[in-house]
Amino acid sequence: RKEVEQDPGPFNVPEGATVAFNCTYSNSASQSFFWYRQDCRKEPKLLMSVYSSGNEDGRFTAQLNRASQYISLLIRDSKLSDSATYLCAVNKGTGANNLFFGTGTRLTVIP
Amino acid sequence: EAGVAQSPRYKIIEKRQSVAFWCNPISGHATLYWYQQILGQGPKLLIQFQNNGVVDDSQLPKDRFSAERLKGVDSTLKIQPAKLEDSAVYLCASSLGPSNSPLHFGNGTRLTVT
Repeated sequence: RKEVEQDPGPFNVPEGATVAFNCTYSNSASQSFFWYRQDCRKEPKLLMSVYSSGNEDGRFTAQLNRASQYISLLIRDSKLSDSATYLCAVNKGTGANNLFFGTGTRLTVIP
Repeated sequence: EAGVAQSPRYKIIEKRQSVAFWCNPISGHATLYWYQQILGQGPKLLIQFQNNGVVDDSQLPKDRFSAERLKGVDSTLKIQPAKLEDSAVYLCASSLGPSNSPLHFGNGTRLTVT
């Protein structure tokens, strides 16, 4: 089983729509969770950290469900500029504690 | 704050040749990572340094890949000899520490092996 799994999409949504992505992780010892955004042919950039209590930043809301071992990202009022690939990242939880990344979910916001 | 610097941006080599990539992390970041991102996939960790020591290289193909961070600042990743399947973007990232600090990525080196 992969450490982190995401639905690769693509998700094609109209402007103004609300869209949600989930990401499941396999290691119950994981403690740190992040969402990254990656534009075409660019490097991943940190979008937001995911805290146990959830995290909201403008139109973006991230949630953690430890019992079911998944994190989610909700984007409200989608903009054309939100079109990108969204990568979830989960730390190893033990040892070197490095990050595992999912394959990413491709989002296209349509005018 | 200056970001993670990587060079070169692009490299095209023939299989069995060697290649080296360079990375300078954000000032003060003790932890440095090299990731490989194959087209359509997420980044895969190759090696993690804490200062000048290797913390995790379990996914580094050590028969052909090597990396060093001699003075605990910048780092080089080498592939020798390269294979076709090494074609990917090689991303360097740094963080303040290895615990729950987010990673900051450089813009990567796109390697094509022909």
